[in-house]
Amino acid sequence: GEDVEQSLFLSVREGDSSVINCTYTDSSSTYLYWYKQEPGAGLQLLTYIFSNMDMKQDQRLTVLLNKKDKHLSLRIADTQTGDSAIYFCAEFGGATNKLIFGTGTLLAVQP
Amino acid sequence: EPEVTQTPSHQVTQMGQEVILRCVPISNHLYFYWYRQILGQKVEFLVSFYNNEISEKSEIFDDQFSVERPDGSNFTLKIRSTKLEDSAMYFCASRMGGYTFGSGTRLTVV
Repeated sequence: GEDVEQSLFLSVREGDSSVINCTYTDSSSTYLYWYKQEPGAGLQLLTYIFSNMDMKQDQRLTVLLNKKDKHLSLRIADTQTGDSAIYFCAEFGGATNKLIFGTGTLLAVQP
Repeated sequence: EPEVTQTPSHQVTQMGQEVILRCVPISNHLYFYWYRQILGQKVEFLVSFYNNEISEKSEIFDDQFSVERPDGSNFTLKIRSTKLEDSAMYFCASRMGGYTFGSGTRLTVV
């Protein structure tokens, strides 16, 4: 079945770049998403990338997709304390129309 | 910007009671979903709904669960006899192209 994995924790200093990684198994995914979840809150869509793209940039966010290795990353430039949250990657498409979420990465930004 | 609205934001219920979680999807969306997130865990798919019927459901979505779109605007998730392990955040989502999630209902079963 489909599986999406992420590292559990990342700690960075304010002002540094953060890179959150994700691997997935379904090679027929059509979209890959990044969501942000602050404590006790809902899922905020940050960005997404079509599977036929290699890169997408949106202000401080850069998404890189290596479809051959089924590897997705989210780079946050100039990380701020307000970026502290859990980040989920999710894949969509293939055999079903449901989102499969990763395990989530807790990003801790140290002042 | 159109939103998916979920009510209530927090519900506490006694074990064995029935609960109904409500969602108002975006009006021109065609696909509707329920997901849940147990505290500290990942977001899990429960069920998808299209054309007034369930199109897919997960192993979690057993006979205790049901969904309904009673009036063309609301989309509800019913849990017939709640268990302690049903305590979680429940997210509704709707989709035309991209997904839009509601802000969730935190269900606490005591």
